[in-house]
Amino acid sequence: GDSVTQMEGPVTLSEEAFLTINCTYTATGYPSLFWYVQYPGEGLQLLLKATKADDKGSNKGFEATYRKETTSFHLEKGSVQVSDSAVYFCALSGSGSGAGSYQLTFGKGTKLSVIP
Amino acid sequence: NAGVTQTPKFRVLKTGQSMTLLCAQDMNHEYMYWYRQDPGMGLRLIHYSVGEGTTAKGEVPDGYNVSRLKKQNFLLGLESAAPSQTSVYFCASSYRTAWDEQFFGPGTRLTVL
Repeated sequence: GDSVTQMEGPVTLSEEAFLTINCTYTATGYPSLFWYVQYPGEGLQLLLKATKADDKGSNKGFEATYRKETTSFHLEKGSVQVSDSAVYFCALSGSGSGAGSYQLTFGKGTKLSVIP
Repeated sequence: NAGVTQTPKFRVLKTGQSMTLLCAQDMNHEYMYWYRQDPGMGLRLIHYSVGEGTTAKGEVPDGYNVSRLKKQNFLLGLESAAPSQTSVYFCASSYRTAWDEQFFGPGTRLTVL
C-alpha cells in the first residue's frame, strides 16, 4: 500500500537558518503530494501541494518539488522564523482507484522548533 | 465562515462508556473525514463520507461508527470506549476528493480511563 516516510524530529534551528525536511513516498499510480502544518493546539492546515512530477509547490517562503525519479517531496525554506515552529506532515493522496483514491496517507510528522 | 468545527474539545470517559463526537462544516463540502492522531503515528483515517447518507471505512475503523444524515454534519460514535481509543480526533472536509485541500477542525482530545 501507499506509505510516506519523513525525517524523524524534533528539529531545532536558530532563526534565519535554512530548513530541509525530507519526505519520500511509496505509491502506485500518480499521487498528489502535500505538506500540511500543525501549529500548537490547532488542526492541520495545507501549506503547499504538487499534483504531478516536477511541479513545485510554494507558500509562505516554503517550497517542495515533486520528484518522481527519487519518489521525494522535500520541504525547504531559506530563512526560518520563530513563527514557523510547528509540526510538519508530508502526505499523499490516494493514487489508486476506488476507495483508496479518497484517502490521504500521512507521514508521522516532524516537529520544528525555531529559537531566536 | 466558521470552517470546520468540532464538539466537544475535551472529554474523559470511563471504559465501556459511549459518546458521540460532532463535526460540522459550513463550506458545502461533499467529502468529510475522521482521523485520529497518536504520538509518533501521524494521522490515520477512521471513516470517511463522500456525500450525505454515505459512509465508508478507512484504515482503522474498528470500535467506531459514523453517520452523515446531513451534508454539513459528520458524527463519530464510540459505542463502548476502550483505553486504546485515547487519542486526539480530527475531522476534515474537502470539496471533492483527497486531491483537493482538506480543511481540518481544531480537534477533540479524548481520554479513556
